[in-house]
Parts: sequence; structure tokens; C-alpha cells
Amino acid sequence: DQQVKQNSPSLSVQEGRISILNCDYTNSMFDYFLWYKKYPAEGPTFLISISSIKDKNEDGRFTVFLNKSAKHLSLHIVPSQPGDSAVYFCAASANSGGSNYKLTFGKGTLLTVNP
Amino acid sequence: KAGVTQTPRYLIKTRGQQVTLSCSPISGHRSVSWYQQTPGQGLQFLFEYFSETQRNKGNFPGRFSGRQFSNSRSEMNVSTLELGDSALYLCASSLILAVNEQFFGPGTRLTVL
Repeated sequence: DQQVKQNSPSLSVQEGRISILNCDYTNSMFDYFLWYKKYPAEGPTFLISISSIKDKNEDGRFTVFLNKSAKHLSLHIVPSQPGDSAVYFCAASANSGGSNYKLTFGKGTLLTVNP
Repeated sequence: KAGVTQTPRYLIKTRGQQVTLSCSPISGHRSVSWYQQTPGQGLQFLFEYFSETQRNKGNFPGRFSGRQFSNSRSEMNVSTLELGDSALYLCASSLILAVNEQFFGPGTRLTVL
């Protein structure tokens, strides 16, 4: 039973346009959500996070939106750049991300930004 | 500051063998977590160690085990390897008590023939 789902295995966008990556979760105990970016032959790199007490968090070109009632979050990248091409993982944890190090990941979405 | 290092980077084993993977966390980091990444299942949590104690464990069989040393370095062991154990094994370390502060290593690619 997959508790964090990224239903789009891949996404292709043009440079300068918006990239929207989606993630759904089923476990209502999740209260902290993260996005990681992964290049080939490297480990995942933390990108941005959001607590369930918020519905939006912004960091430069990256914004994460959380819809708790729909158990859905999305990552917006504006404007998209070729260097953003990577696999993006959505992850979730319970216990407000405090002392709970167990992250539950989605299967990832491969983003390709075309010049 | 050096990042998380994992050795070896690549490993080929045959079914039935056992394997030990090593992870050296960032200096000063005391928590080490292990994840398995496969194309079909994505990233799955294996276990987490803090100050030589296992604090969290994922849903993996007992063939998967780990330990942490007093210098925070960690090892994970897989016994009686199966074909399905072929995966990228990722280690992450962190200093403070927050999941977003996990820094991942490049992983060890294990192939079981």
C-alpha cells in the first residue's frame, strides 16, 4: 500500500514555463512534507518543505502548495530552467518532522526542461 | 566540509551471499538513516540509528540489519541475498532533530546475480 503517490512518472516542459509536480498521500497522520531533487549518480538533495499548519511555502523559484482536505501537494517551479531537469521525490513524515526520521517517499517524477 | 560518503559505490554479488555496506556521515552528525531505492518501489526506509541505537525500522525482513559505531559511522548488512535486493542503497545523516536536515550520500549500487 503506497502512502505517498506521484502519479506522473515524467513531465516535460519548455524553459521559462512553469513546472507543476503533483503528489497525493493517504496517511492522515502525515504532517510534514518535503520535496527532494535527485540527479543521476547522486543522492537526493532537499529542496523545500511544508508543515501541515501551512498551505503554501515559497523559496525563490520553488513553491509548495498543500491541500490537506484533498491530501494533495504540488511543487511549482517558475521559471523552469534546463538545470532543473532531475527526478523529484515527494516525501512525508508524521510527528511534525521533529524526532521522526522515517520519511515515506513517492516513486518520483522525472522532470525534463527543454531549452 | 565533506559530505556523506558511502563505500563501495558499486557491488556485484550472487544469490545467497551476504554483503556489508558502509556509510560515513558528515562530521558531527549523529543520526544515520538507510533507504533502498528500486525502480518499482521508489525510496523505502530501512532503519535509522542515533548514538549507536536503532530508533526506527522500516518493513524489511530480518535479513536486513545495521549498526552504528561510536564515531557515528554506520554499516548495513544483507544476508542470503535475493535477486530482488538489487537496488541503490542510500544513506543519509543529520545533525539536529529535523527530517529536512537529512543529507544523502551518493548511494551504493548493489546488483545481485
